Amino acid sequence: QKEVEQNSGPLSVPEGAIASLNCTYSDRGSQSFFWYRQYSGKSPELIMSIYSNGDKEDGRFTAQLNKASQYVSLLIRDSQPSDSATYLCAVNMSGAQKLVFGQGTRLTINP
Amino acid sequence: DAGVTQSPTHLIKTRGQQVTLRCSPKSGHDTVSWYQQALGQGPQFIFQYYEEEERQRGNFPDRFSGHQFPNYSSELNVNALLLGDSALYLCASSLALYNEQFFGPGTRLTVL
Repeated sequence: QKEVEQNSGPLSVPEGAIASLNCTYSDRGSQSFFWYRQYSGKSPELIMSIYSNGDKEDGRFTAQLNKASQYVSLLIRDSQPSDSATYLCAVNMSGAQKLVFGQGTRLTINP
Repeated sequence: DAGVTQSPTHLIKTRGQQVTLRCSPKSGHDTVSWYQQALGQGPQFIFQYYEEEERQRGNFPDRFSGHQFPNYSSELNVNALLLGDSALYLCASSLALYNEQFFGPGTRLTVL
């Protein structure tokens, strides 16, 4: 079992719809969870961090964390073509400072 | 506020050569982590430096080494390059005890 798993996609969503990205992790003791956006040929950009169970909203983005089920998700409302990118889920495993990444989900927003 | 910077942007080397990549952290940050990202994959952790010492290391051979300077900047050295070392090398900076890491633009290394 991989430490952090994401559906690699591609995930295709029409413009204006809600895009839903999911991630599961193996270490039950993990405390910090992050979503990065990576455009083709660019480096990852931090867009959301979440540390407690529940929802965290920032503009059009909502991160959701469920530690009991060991999953974290990212919702993008009113999707725009500029949201087309690869979204990387990253987790700080317990006792470690390193980030463990999933392989990323490629998201395409269709105009 | 200067973000994380890396140099060079691109690099082409041949097998067996050695390479040094450089990173300057975001202003105010004291911790530098290095990652390797192969095409189509998520970044893989190489190591992390704090207070000029390697604090944690990922599953990479000893050919990969690093250094952190008193001004918090860092270098990644790779010896005896292999074709499989071709990748995007990412530097991320953070504040000790805080987990948010911010990435630089990366160095694209091609080994021929």
